[in-house]
Amino acid sequence: ETGVTQSPTHLIKTRGQQVTLRCSSQSGHNTVSWYQQALGQGPQFIFQYYREEENGRGNFPPRFSGLQFPNYSSELNVNALELDDSALYLCASSPVAGHQTDTQYFGPGTRLTVL
Amino acid sequence: KQEVTQIPAALSVPEGENLVLNCSFTDSAIYNLQWFRQDPGKGLTSLLLIQSSQREQTSGRLNASLDKSSGRSTLYIAASQPGDSATYLCAVPTGGGNKLTFGTGTQLKVEL
Repeated sequence: ETGVTQSPTHLIKTRGQQVTLRCSSQSGHNTVSWYQQALGQGPQFIFQYYREEENGRGNFPPRFSGLQFPNYSSELNVNALELDDSALYLCASSPVAGHQTDTQYFGPGTRLTVL
Repeated sequence: KQEVTQIPAALSVPEGENLVLNCSFTDSAIYNLQWFRQDPGKGLTSLLLIQSSQREQTSGRLNASLDKSSGRSTLYIAASQPGDSATYLCAVPTGGGNKLTFGTGTQLKVEL
């Protein structure tokens, strides 16, 4: 069984650029959530995708957008990068959306640095 | 709005000591609480998940308790080892789904 994978591992961008981060969910999982973790903070929920539809969004501006594909992999896109977007971006998958009893399984993260 | 707080923010103990990490949450209407471990710059590893109907969960040297009425959870680590050094995060699902609200974590250092 393959766990959650993310790519790339590290990324350096400049202000104003756009970035795409990728996540492959754990086998058999159809729900993917994205989190942003600033240095020294706990992860903050960005949004969740269930069967290719957005299923909830946190307090992030519209320049943060996402996609989920038929194989349940997902992308996080960030436009017009700002310095404060520098963070570790975590992807998590779970078996079924909306089930609060489900454990979420996290990937290793993508470290984004915005200069 | 659910808020999750962890105390202390950092902890340094000698090897072999038993220790307790604390997590508190403001909205007691939770389905479960999960404890995670995070090594520097890495992703999260789930340690224990306690359902709201449970009061304790154990895994090896780890024991987590949950008191919904008081809005508290503790993670007990027995006989700590240098390999336990990491940041420990607690999280609860919020917003009608399994979207997680995290605490800011306790950074643990176990010294030889």
